[in-house]
Amino acid sequence: DAGVTQSPTHLIKTRGQHVTLRCSPISGHKSVSWYQQVLGQGPQFIFQYYEKEERGRGNFPDRFSARQFPNYSSELNVNALLLGDSALYLCASSSFVGEQYFGPGTRLTVT
Amino acid sequence: RKEVEQDPGPFNVPEGATVAFNCTYSNSASQSFFWYRQDCRKEPKLLMSVYSSGNEDGRFTAQLNRASQYISLLIRDSKLSDSATYLCVVFTGGGNKLTFGTGTQLKVEL
Repeated sequence: DAGVTQSPTHLIKTRGQHVTLRCSPISGHKSVSWYQQVLGQGPQFIFQYYEKEERGRGNFPDRFSARQFPNYSSELNVNALLLGDSALYLCASSSFVGEQYFGPGTRLTVT
Repeated sequence: RKEVEQDPGPFNVPEGATVAFNCTYSNSASQSFFWYRQDCRKEPKLLMSVYSSGNEDGRFTAQLNRASQYISLLIRDSKLSDSATYLCVVFTGGGNKLTFGTGTQLKVEL
């Protein structure tokens, strides 16, 4: 069975630009969550979507937004990129709240 | 105070050793608990859920003490392949989010 997939795997952007990251959950999973992981830290929760509705939001600025599509895939958008947005962005899917399975992540570098 | 606290390590142990990791959490309303393993530059992978009665999976044993808000992971007969960062993770229903500790790094040596 295919696991969680994310694209792209790596991305380099400059300050002020916008980025869109994509995630496809495990087949049958209806919940997708997004996390940001900077070097040396554990992942930090950004958003959770379930059945196309936002069900949770972490302490991130409004520059971060997301959505979930009818096929349960999801996009994370970040506007007006800052150097501090450089991180590994992880998507996790679950069939119910709690036990989540992570994709390989998108490594974003902002220069 | 951080919501989930772990000793970052590193723990350097010889192959075959038993090693224990501890974790504390601050939110008494937390509902579910997990240990994830993360290899360098890879995604976290679910190692095991943690139940109040304690649970075991092969060489790995997890314990939860709700009264003390404390979680532990015991690894017996360490293998070189156990070298990784172990993340303590707490699920809180409000916000439907997983909160991760910073992770404890384990290095198993010959």
